[in-house]
Amino acid sequence: DADVTQTPRNRITKTGKRIMLECSQTKGHDRMYWYRQDPGLGLRLIYYSFDVKDINKGEISDGYSVSRQAQAKFSLSLESAIPNQTALYFCATSGLGGGELFFGEGSRLTVL
Amino acid sequence: AQSVAQPEDQVNVAEGNPLTVKCTYSVSGNPYLFWYVQYPNRGLQFLLKYITGDNLVKGSYGFEAEFNKSQTSFHLKKPSALVSDSALYFCAVRPLNDYKLSFGAGTTVTVRA
Repeated sequence: DADVTQTPRNRITKTGKRIMLECSQTKGHDRMYWYRQDPGLGLRLIYYSFDVKDINKGEISDGYSVSRQAQAKFSLSLESAIPNQTALYFCATSGLGGGELFFGEGSRLTVL
Repeated sequence: AQSVAQPEDQVNVAEGNPLTVKCTYSVSGNPYLFWYVQYPNRGLQFLLKYITGDNLVKGSYGFEAEFNKSQTSFHLKKPSALVSDSALYFCAVRPLNDYKLSFGAGTTVTVRA
């Protein structure tokens, strides 16, 4: 089983719908992140959490919200999806030490 | 604020030839530098990192990277490329006192047989 699991892997939805992307991890890491990948733009940080009671905005948090339900679970919500939120979304974790991120397989979201 | 530039959108090399993927960065203070690789329909995989010490860092799959502080560069290299190295490569940077990683736009590497 993957250390960082994202669901769903693919989702097509319509403008205005509420969408939740879920992430769970078995690495025991405290730090969790949500990134968005767009062609030619690399990955941009949406939100991050350093423990269950800690939530921080990244560089592109507008239109998104998150919930850290437990150390191992970090979900991303789009309250009212719009077409320019069509992208590949990645959840990642990191430990206290070296700083490298461990990524999930991604959730491809299409908003029509 | 930190930033990363990968000046080449695409790099094409023949199998067996040396591969270089360029990266320059901007950050306050000393940097943590990373390279990741993304294969089609997969998440990013960690290749190597520079934190301190030897400027030449060795990583997974025969890749290495050279940290050059004066040129603020961290180029990824492989002496002999394989077709299986064809993928999207990302350089990333963060300051020592911050865990938010900033990524470059990525470089697509194609290794032809």
